[in-house]
Amino acid sequence: DSGVTQTPKHLITATGQRVTLRCSPRSGDLSVYWYQQSLDQGLQFLIQYYNGEERAKGNILERFSAQQFPDLHSELNLSSLELGDSALYFCASSAQGGTTEAFFGQGTRLTVV
Amino acid sequence: SQQGEEDPQALSIQEGENATMNCSYKTSINNLQWYRQNSGRGLVHLILIRSNEREKHSGRLRVTLDTSKKSSSLLITASRAADTASYFCATVHGSSNTGKLIFGQGTTLQVKP
Repeated sequence: DSGVTQTPKHLITATGQRVTLRCSPRSGDLSVYWYQQSLDQGLQFLIQYYNGEERAKGNILERFSAQQFPDLHSELNLSSLELGDSALYFCASSAQGGTTEAFFGQGTRLTVV
Repeated sequence: SQQGEEDPQALSIQEGENATMNCSYKTSINNLQWYRQNSGRGLVHLILIRSNEREKHSGRLRVTLDTSKKSSSLLITASRAADTASYFCATVHGSSNTGKLIFGQGTTLQVKP
């Protein structure tokens, strides 16, 4: 158990819909990262928050947004969903920035039908 | 793209044999990390090697880093069936503040009992 909790584990939704993925980081970790894993793109970094502030942005679509709340949990919002958004979405947390290991949640498997 | 490359893409060995996976990257790094992923599950951190280190050990794992060749290798000695998984290298580039991980495509390891 990494200590990072993601909900829900599975999500099936229709094209055009909006969903919210939730992540609770490890106790004490200030950094939260979101990654997308798909067969064709592999593991792609989406966005990072550190102590409530956005710190780094990757290949995140404009239809996607995220935030980190004062209690350090984070949410990833995906809107106007397309079939190609079907993927595993991982949240990870770390104590600092990149000098320490990241701990990954079990992921949310999103299926868009 | 900064994304690294791993080889081989797939590796099949017998229990007790050693497994070696290689990773190459394109631009200078702050550190390089190896992760393991069991099918469809979250990633588990194995080892982190900093850019000023050349070799690290952790149990049956040995990681080397050659910054002049921009490459790293992961050696798993005396493999077990339970080592069957996908292995990813991930790099942290530039400032360590962000900590975003750039993942390679991974090596799928099968260890036959």
